[in-house]
Amino acid sequence: DGGITQSPKYLFRKEGQNVTLSCEQNLNHDAMYWYRQDPGQGLRLIYYSQIVNDFQKGDIAEGYSVSREKKESFPLTVTSAQKNPTAFYLCDSSLQGIASGNTIYFGEGSWLTVV
Amino acid sequence: KNQVEQSPQSLIILEGKNCTLQCNYTVSPFSNLRWYKQDTGRGPVSLTIMTFSENTKSNGRYTATLDADTKQSSLHITASQLSDSASYICVVSFILTGGGNKLTFGTGTQLKVEL
Repeated sequence: DGGITQSPKYLFRKEGQNVTLSCEQNLNHDAMYWYRQDPGQGLRLIYYSQIVNDFQKGDIAEGYSVSREKKESFPLTVTSAQKNPTAFYLCDSSLQGIASGNTIYFGEGSWLTVV
Repeated sequence: KNQVEQSPQSLIILEGKNCTLQCNYTVSPFSNLRWYKQDTGRGPVSLTIMTFSENTKSNGRYTATLDADTKQSSLHITASQLSDSASYICVVSFILTGGGNKLTFGTGTQLKVEL
């Protein structure tokens, strides 16, 4: 079945450690996005990519890095520079961006906790 | 500043009752408005997408309205069910100066349906 898959569902990070969250889609979507969700706040855009080998910073990119080597994959690395990484992370994808009401498909999210 | 405000912040209703959730936005220039349902710890699921020219759109027991003049939208849930308990997020897309779109998320209305 077509869809978007995030893994792992739960991840624990030690202080000073980098961790990578996976986001894979088989919907042939060009655009992929990473968001962070904190309690009581709306989703905030971390990074997005509208085409392979190209990505743009979102509103809260500091302490994060991404790559888009394949159309299907858009992994997010939470680096040690991110001082408050504990959050729920969501990845989504859409066909040719979000213009003209293209449906956006979200993954099931990943919980990251610093221990 | 582009903002999306939702009200109420939380709502408790009895099963079988109707309810209406509100969304006011200051996003400009407007592209489209989406309503999502998000269960705790899960990815958001699309309910409706409306463009500038659409005033209402239904998806089963969910009916969304849009008044682009007053920049207001509502989501009406009819004959609520226990499974409707979730966070409902209003998302507005606006057009970037250099082209493309960007999403602005509301903080959501937490709905609880009780027996």
